[in-house]
Amino acid sequence: GAVVSQHPSWVICKSGTSVKIECRSLDFQATTMFWYRQFPKQSLMLMATSNEGSKATYEQGVEKDKFLINHASLTLSTLTVTSAHPEDSSFYICSARDLDRYNEQFFGPGTRLTVL
Amino acid sequence: AQTVTQSQPEMSVQEAETVTLSCTYDTSESNYYLFWYKQPPSRQMILVIRQEAYKQQNATENRFSVNFQKAAKSFSLKISDSQLGDTAMYFCAFRMDSNYQLIWGAGTKLIIKP
Repeated sequence: GAVVSQHPSWVICKSGTSVKIECRSLDFQATTMFWYRQFPKQSLMLMATSNEGSKATYEQGVEKDKFLINHASLTLSTLTVTSAHPEDSSFYICSARDLDRYNEQFFGPGTRLTVL
Repeated sequence: AQTVTQSQPEMSVQEAETVTLSCTYDTSESNYYLFWYKQPPSRQMILVIRQEAYKQQNATENRFSVNFQKAAKSFSLKISDSQLGDTAMYFCAFRMDSNYQLIWGAGTKLIIKP
């Protein structure tokens, strides 16, 4: 099946620093990628939709200046958490839409971010 | 707006038993897709089964099958001969035909006991 990777799988950073998370579709091209945030024991919360070559579309309540998304190629989208604070600590998951597989979303393994 | 409801926060069954997870949804769309995803302790989201609303036949994937009742807007997942590896969070999700975003249910934690 379609494979999506995320890097890093976990990261610990100090408050005030920025952290970049990469999402790659390994064996297909993804014109659309999605970024989710998942709190413990909760469902996925869509943060933004990332389209290759254009600006991301953010969900209501998500600060676009804090969560910078770049989708520069058909296989790579990045999420940068700027000036991270402890409340940004969470599990971040990306997914990529595969046109050749019924437009299904395939998910990355997630990134655990801890801000000290 | 579309909503997905999973009314069972947690379920527990013995290995080899059959278990059914419930999901209801609300939409005014006629063309859409429904999904069950599994999220094991590793937290990797895995697609279990997919159903197109225009198909009357219920989808099946080995031990996993759905009961899709379009009029009732119900989409339950049946797991037969449950295995320890089925222990996971299970999420029901909805997608319109015209929009690629997934609408998620709150999830059901399924525990398979040996």
